[in-house]
Amino acid sequence: DAKTTQPNSMESNEEEPVHLPCNHSTISGTDYIHWYRQLPSQGPEYVIHGLTSNVNNRMASLAIAEDRKSSTLILHRATLRDAAVYYCILRDVTASGTYKYIFGTGTRLKVLA
Amino acid sequence: EPEVTQTPSHQVTQMGQEVILRCVPISNHLYFYWYRQILGQKVEFLVSFYNNEISEKSEIFDDQFSVERPDGSNFTLKIRSTKLEDSAMYFCASSESSAHNEKLFFGSGTQLSVL
Repeated sequence: DAKTTQPNSMESNEEEPVHLPCNHSTISGTDYIHWYRQLPSQGPEYVIHGLTSNVNNRMASLAIAEDRKSSTLILHRATLRDAAVYYCILRDVTASGTYKYIFGTGTRLKVLA
Repeated sequence: EPEVTQTPSHQVTQMGQEVILRCVPISNHLYFYWYRQILGQKVEFLVSFYNNEISEKSEIFDDQFSVERPDGSNFTLKIRSTKLEDSAMYFCASSESSAHNEKLFFGSGTQLSVL
């Protein structure tokens, strides 16, 4: 089962910032927080990941709470192309010591023109 | 940017038939995955593959499913005798390593329709 909790859906106006929250209260000290998104009719794509410090890249920013039990994906200026399902993921360690990503239901972001 | 390629984009088959879904992972990647997504539902993990063997498989990945890396570039998912409930979008993914911060790259998927 997914180890994260996200709101089912959110709406934003175009050109405005969007803050997508995620709770991961059972996170362990070595878990990275990964965010992926799935645009309509496409496969998931990487957005950003972080461990403790806030992270920025060309797509988004990731703000991680001090206790690491929650994080927020920030899209600074939402565009219509950002309409997607956003997944916050902690990887599961498998019995063989490898990793797998377990997707939850994610947050469906709707961007209004 | 390099990408994971999946073929075909759509596959229609009759119930009971065998299908093979094909994927070309990114060339220097060593870890390979199959996921599926039934229409309107979550992306579900099927199997992971490393060093020419299955690392992990889910409950969905029963004896009807198999994976193979036949030639060092392709990574295939075979369903031996398809069922109606196998209809889904199947995504292949690959990663360079299994490090904590490793990114997973997904293909665009194969839409499988079982009639």
